[in-house]
Amino acid sequence: EVQLLESGGGLVQPGGSLRLSCAASGYIFSNNAMSWVRQAPGKGLEWVSAISGRGGMNTYYADSVKGRFTISRDDSKSTLYLQMNNLRAEDTALYYCTRDRGAAAAGNSDYWGQGTLVTVSS
Amino acid sequence: QSALTQPRSVSGSPGQSVTISCTGTSSDIGGYNWVSWYQQHPDKAPKLIIHDVNMRPPGVPDRFSGSKSDNTASLIISGLQAEDEADYYCCSYAGSYTLFGGGTKLTVL
Repeated sequence: EVQLLESGGGLVQPGGSLRLSCAASGYIFSNNAMSWVRQAPGKGLEWVSAISGRGGMNTYYADSVKGRFTISRDDSKSTLYLQMNNLRAEDTALYYCTRDRGAAAAGNSDYWGQGTLVTVSS
Repeated sequence: QSALTQPRSVSGSPGQSVTISCTGTSSDIGGYNWVSWYQQHPDKAPKLIIHDVNMRPPGVPDRFSGSKSDNTASLIISGLQAEDEADYYCCSYAGSYTLFGGGTKLTVL
């Protein structure tokens, strides 16, 4: 059974940093692209970032986070990361880790974690 | 990177059919066949119900179907059931990024 377990969320001041992790299990992690999708309280889904699979390591970012967030993966640990720097109030959201159906980051997320909450506030 | 356009809400009675539209551009929906749809119940993670425009993952009822014409994708739900009441989001690949629609709240009357 595919499972995705996010961690690392919390309360941080504006301008601060956090690193989110997503531990994957139940499949061969390296085969699939992975993504982060966020949802602000009471709002819709927003794609944040993606990284390709099968050793491609191509990375993609939404304009709203480009230059501040960095996505990475450690296939030996079956873990996805999101380093978030210079956080802003508008980054407050539930951050979901998702698995893409294939190795290319094409937006077809077939498995989702339960999310980790990031709150940016002073 | 503008969001895809969905109606804010749709409604239907049990047994009826509803269609949720999702409008983009030639750079996203119109340019690729990587359109997906997600169902989200309150306080739950989204669930993939359609991928690659019109493909259903295992376990998704065939009451759910998808289509695409030019820059608009559609989700059709036939034989509405009470448990279909949820938020629905479309999603499209756009080359170097991915876009979501703003979401549509489906109410089963």
